[in-house]
Amino acid sequence: GAVVSQHPSWVICKSGTSVKIECRSLDFQATTMFWYRQFPKQSLMLMATSNEGSKATYEQGVEKDKFLINHASLTLSTLTVTSAHPEDSSFYICSALGLLMIDEQFFGPGTRLTVL
Amino acid sequence: QQQVKQSPQSLIVQKGGIPIINCAYENTAFDYFPWYQQFPGKGPALLIAIRPDVSEKKEGRFTISFNKSAKQFSLHIMDSQPGDSATYFCAATSGSARQLTFGSGTQLTVLP
Repeated sequence: GAVVSQHPSWVICKSGTSVKIECRSLDFQATTMFWYRQFPKQSLMLMATSNEGSKATYEQGVEKDKFLINHASLTLSTLTVTSAHPEDSSFYICSALGLLMIDEQFFGPGTRLTVL
Repeated sequence: QQQVKQSPQSLIVQKGGIPIINCAYENTAFDYFPWYQQFPGKGPALLIAIRPDVSEKKEGRFTISFNKSAKQFSLHIMDSQPGDSATYFCAATSGSARQLTFGSGTQLTVLP
């Protein structure tokens, strides 16, 4: 099956700093990547949809200036949490939709962000 | 209208039992219904998926039953094992963007 990786798998940072999370499709080209956040014992909430070479589409209530998304290539999307605060602490998960995969999204292993 | 309602919130069964998780939706534009399994600290993994033109799909021990008229679908896990203990999410998607709408999740515990 298709593999999606995320880096780092966990990160701890101080309040006010910025953190970048990478999402890579390892063995396929992803036309669309999605970013989710998940709080403990809750469901996944879609934050944004990114298409290669174009601006991301953010869900209502998600601050685009705080959560910067770049989808520079068909295998890489990045999420930067700017000026992170403790309330941004969460599990961030990306998924990728391939060129030839009509529906199946492949999920990354997630990144645990803790902001002190 | 975009919601997918999932029940129960948690479920405990004995090994060998058949847990059933149910989901309901309102948006008739949904055209793809996957189920995901998630272990703690990991990303979701696709288990099985169905389209609305099929009433049932079976893959290994996992079966989806789909009732288009009732706008409901369910996951059955045959001969459940302790290793199946995880959180299960139903989801639905529609439109060209193929964004997933997730249910609230069901925490399944299979006792040995």
